[in-house]
Amino acid sequence: GDSVTQMEGPVTLSEEAFLTINCTYTATGYPSLFWYVQYPGEGLQLLLKATKADDKGSNKGFEATYRKETTSFHLEKGSVQVSDSAVYFCALSTNTGNQFYFGTGTSLTVIP
Amino acid sequence: GAVVSQHPSWVICKSGTSVKIECRSLDFQATTMFWYRQFPKQSLMLMATSNEGSKATYEQGVEKDKFLINHASLTLSTLTVTSAHPEDSSFYICSARLGGHTGELFFGEGSRLTVL
Repeated sequence: GDSVTQMEGPVTLSEEAFLTINCTYTATGYPSLFWYVQYPGEGLQLLLKATKADDKGSNKGFEATYRKETTSFHLEKGSVQVSDSAVYFCALSTNTGNQFYFGTGTSLTVIP
Repeated sequence: GAVVSQHPSWVICKSGTSVKIECRSLDFQATTMFWYRQFPKQSLMLMATSNEGSKATYEQGVEKDKFLINHASLTLSTLTVTSAHPEDSSFYICSARLGGHTGELFFGEGSRLTVL
């Protein structure tokens, strides 16, 4: 079945460090891929998305490229800030239904 | 952009009572809304899919008589936790989708339920 496998955390980085959070997926058809972020005590909000192969989603300095050949959608940021501390969820949506599949979430803590 | 609003944000209740959580799509019509439950430091667990004008579709293992879902209009879905017990304490999040299978899910702010 369709699923998302996400790098387990927690991840702790110093400010201005480079961030990578790995995400791979299994899906039939042509899914859309998403990264959501959850700040402490809040709901989820969309960070970025890509709807077809080779698309790059970007927002707030974060980027992720939809790689069909490796079935991956890794999240990257060149220089993290303390305010980026949050839980990050990778997700996919198939084109055959109304279902979203979420990864387990990766907790990121950025220290000054 | 599209907004989903959830109310209340926090609720504390006594064991055995029922609690209702509302989820509203503020600037779009949502024929389908989703209810998730999130345990501390864990991912989202889909509980049910709420369909406007018809019965909700529950995920395996979710008690439909325990978690009553009503989707009476295109902008409102409600989740009622009936006869709540301490193990029902959790963070409940609703969402609605805009734009077909490439569209994103918009999430409510979440409702933290504590059952004493």
